[in-house]
Amino acid sequence: DIQMTQSPSSLSASVGDRVTITCRASQSISTYLNWYQQKPGKAPKLLIFGAFNLQSGVPSRFSGSGSGTDFTLTVSSLQPEDLATYYCQQSFTIPYNFGQGTKLEIK
Amino acid sequence: QVQLQESGPGLVKPSQTLSLTCSVSNGSISSGDYYWSWIRQPPGKGLEWIGYVSNSGRTYDNPSLKSRVTISVDSSKNQFSLRLTSLIAADTAVYYCARRHIEMAVALDAFDIWGQGTMVTVSS
Repeated sequence: DIQMTQSPSSLSASVGDRVTITCRASQSISTYLNWYQQKPGKAPKLLIFGAFNLQSGVPSRFSGSGSGTDFTLTVSSLQPEDLATYYCQQSFTIPYNFGQGTKLEIK
Repeated sequence: QVQLQESGPGLVKPSQTLSLTCSVSNGSISSGDYYWSWIRQPPGKGLEWIGYVSNSGRTYDNPSLKSRVTISVDSSKNQFSLRLTSLIAADTAVYYCARRHIEMAVALDAFDIWGQGTMVTVSS
C-alpha cells in the first residue's frame, strides 16, 4: 500500500496569511494526487485534482504543486471560511489512501 | 448537478451485516466513466476508502477489510449498495458514498461528488 503523510497535523494562522500544507507519498505517484477540504460536520469537497488542477468553482487562492512523492497545498490569502480539515489522497493505485488530515484553525 | 444520498440503519449489532444504499439523482448511474464508491470516517479520525463498483458491475475493495465488503449496482433504481459483514465496534463511522470521476484528458481521477454521509454505530 502507498502511505500518505501530511504535515503539519494542525496549524493556526491569521486571515490574510499564506498557508502551506505538505503531503508525502511513500512511493512515487506521479501527479495522481488530490486535495479535499472538509468543514466541520460536512462531507469532503474536492479542491485540487492531478496535483495542481483547480476544481471548478474553487477559489483561486487555493493552489497545488508537486510530483513524484512530495506535494503541497497553498492558500495564498487565508479567509475565515477556510476553517476546515484538509486531506490529500492518492489515485495512483488501490487502495486509494488518504493522508491523516491537517486541521486549519483561524487565529 | 448529480447528487448522492445515503440511506440505511443508524445502529447495528456486532457480528451482524450492515447494508447501505446510495441513491443517485439528476443523472444516470449508467453513463460516463464513473466508479461509484464508499468511503468511511470513524468519529474524530481520517478517511478510509472502502471500495467501488463501475457502472458495468466491476468491483474493487480495500484489502484491509479482509473480504467483508460487497458493493453492487442497481441501474434500474439508479442506486448502488454496500454490504459489510461481521461488524465490530471499529466499523463505527460516518459512511459516505462518492463518485470517482475519471477523465484522463484533463488528468482527473478523483472523488468529485459526495453524499452528506450517514452515521453508523456498531453496538449491542
